[in-house]
Amino acid sequence: QVQLQESGPGLVKPSQTLSLTCTVSGGSISSGSSYWSWVRQPAGKGLEWIGRIYTSGSTDYNPSLKSRVTISVDTSKNQFSLKLSSVTAADTAVYYCAREADYSNPFHYWGQGTLVTVSS
Amino acid sequence: DIQMTQSPSSLSASVGDRVIITCRASQSISSYLNWYQQKPGKAPNLLIYAASSLQSGVPSRFSGSGSGTDFTLTISSLQPEDFATYYCQQSYRTPINFGQGTNLEI
Repeated sequence: QVQLQESGPGLVKPSQTLSLTCTVSGGSISSGSSYWSWVRQPAGKGLEWIGRIYTSGSTDYNPSLKSRVTISVDTSKNQFSLKLSSVTAADTAVYYCAREADYSNPFHYWGQGTLVTVSS
Repeated sequence: DIQMTQSPSSLSASVGDRVIITCRASQSISSYLNWYQQKPGKAPNLLIYAASSLQSGVPSRFSGSGSGTDFTLTISSLQPEDFATYYCQQSYRTPINFGQGTNLEI
């Protein structure tokens, strides 16, 4: 059973870079044809897909955030990471990591989510 | 981008009711449509994938149908634990998009 766990600072100052890591357990991050995504949800609002990384390291990003987002993978640690630069209060949200088993698959597995607040 | 529009945005119902939530895509997505249930403070939970396939462990009162641009999620007989927010999601192409959610209330 694959499990995902987000970690990172819960508070980030405006204009700084938000950095989160998702640790995968119960399976190798580089096995199969999995895609590893980040999704966020502001309080009381809907879900927004941020982007994803394939096991090969190729990435897809949401055009609305593309200029500020970098997703990377560290196969030695079985982790993938999110960096979102130049954050504002609008980036305050619960951030989830999630897995698609293959291209165009649903998100079968999700992390529990981590709240990141952007405030000075 | 493919936009996903859910209706209604909120819905009041009672235990035992049959409920239908609809999701419309701005262009054809074949059957690449998934449904999730989310309860407060929890991650979304996959209910239906590929428009009509029931995820393992999900009660059979949940069902999905549709293809192309129009899809439905049906709950045949509401149970107390079904009161939650429901999201549709297209996995046809990036950027992946979700519907705005349907809040199902007692």
